[in-house]
Amino acid sequence: QSVLTQPPSVSGAPGQRVTISCTGSSSNIGAGYDVHWYQQLPGTAPKLLIYGNSNRPSGVPDRFSGSKSGTSASLAITGLQAEDEADYYCQSYDSSLSVFGGGTKLTVL
Amino acid sequence: EVQLVESGGGLVQPGRSLRLSCTASGFTFGDYAMSWFRQAPGKGLEWVGFIRSKAYGGTTEYAASVKGRFTISRDDSKSIAYLQMNSLKTEDTAVYYCTREGGVIKNDAFDIWGQGTMVTVSS
Repeated sequence: QSVLTQPPSVSGAPGQRVTISCTGSSSNIGAGYDVHWYQQLPGTAPKLLIYGNSNRPSGVPDRFSGSKSGTSASLAITGLQAEDEADYYCQSYDSSLSVFGGGTKLTVL
Repeated sequence: EVQLVESGGGLVQPGRSLRLSCTASGFTFGDYAMSWFRQAPGKGLEWVGFIRSKAYGGTTEYAASVKGRFTISRDDSKSIAYLQMNSLKTEDTAVYYCTREGGVIKNDAFDIWGQGTMVTVSS
């Protein structure tokens, strides 16, 4: 049982826009802690995708964006591409310790 | 190139111990907190614990699932972080990842990940 709640799966056709939600509580996201997002391509290690709620590391396309409001956060992917098919994880903090969502599998139809 | 490389994984019997190493290169290792994560087969990511930099006391924190059994340490002179795992259980079977906490610039996100090392606990 993960502290942060993500939908197990989402899907979209190439070119479409999808969003992945990450729901927490007043002790983590709602307490003002940052939310970070990670992308894990099949068979590889996770990679930082979004940090500090909405910032992209260099090299991450601007098709990826993040937002946070209240006790939730969202990852949006526009112009969906086949290479975006992966697992996505949100991460925040609870009592200053890291907590994760259970992950969302994105399928590109 | 900034890089983390884990080593030391393998097959171990329940109740035994194993030590993982994470060798860093391409950055000033001592300036950063280092964390360990794990991912059981087909499952999501689980934070295991972390060690602060010496500037912040070099102290450690652990997930409840491993507290008292796992110990994280660091050797800044060698740019290596360690994960000592004792009293291993079958449920500790996972790929173990070492990560760097990216500091203030990255809002403390885990910005560098190793490739992972597999630990299998089985008789």
